[in-house]
Amino acid sequence: EAGVVQSPRYKIIEKKQPVAFWCNPISGHNTLYWYLQNLGQGPELLIRYENEEAVDDSQLPKDRFSAERLKGVDSTLKIQPAELGDSAVYLCASSPTPTGEQYFGPGTRLTVT
Amino acid sequence: AQKITQTQPGMFVQEKEAVTLDCTYDTSDPSYGLFWYKQPSSGEMIFLIYQGSYDQQNATEGRYSLNFQKARKSANLVISASQLGDSAMYFCAMLTNDYKLSFGAGTTVTVRA
Repeated sequence: EAGVVQSPRYKIIEKKQPVAFWCNPISGHNTLYWYLQNLGQGPELLIRYENEEAVDDSQLPKDRFSAERLKGVDSTLKIQPAELGDSAVYLCASSPTPTGEQYFGPGTRLTVT
Repeated sequence: AQKITQTQPGMFVQEKEAVTLDCTYDTSDPSYGLFWYKQPSSGEMIFLIYQGSYDQQNATEGRYSLNFQKARKSANLVISASQLGDSAMYFCAMLTNDYKLSFGAGTTVTVRA
């Protein structure tokens, strides 16, 4: 069974530029999560999807961050414009149900210069 | 607010010995789940073990066991017979009734040959 796929693995951009991350969850997993992980810290939830509906986006900075999950499968997380403080690892995870164990992708390491 | 505390930033363990990673949590939810994840230097979060708050027995998965002490609100991870491949960051996490998975700050484990 294929795991959670994320791309790109690494991204370097200049501040004020836009950036997008893509995630393909495990087949059949209805719940999808985006997390932010700063260096030396645990992941923090940005947004949770149930199928195509964003059911928890309370931690998403909506002035610059946006996300979508069209057709309830793949998801894209966007930052526009990026700031220096956005440098971090962005992790995508999926689970069959909201209470099940979450399976994580390899993450996208973003560096904003 | 839900909170996970991991007080050991880093630990060294000799190969083939056991190591215990501490985790305490705080929640007012009567029902919750506790997870441990491993994050090697490659960055991917790997699910290790799960303990439900109403589970009577401590969870075990191969060389991993969870020492669950509900009254003390602790959920320590024990890794037996450490291997060089166990060197990684380990995160304790708690899933509460709002379906949020909250992570601790992590403990870095280094296994010495």
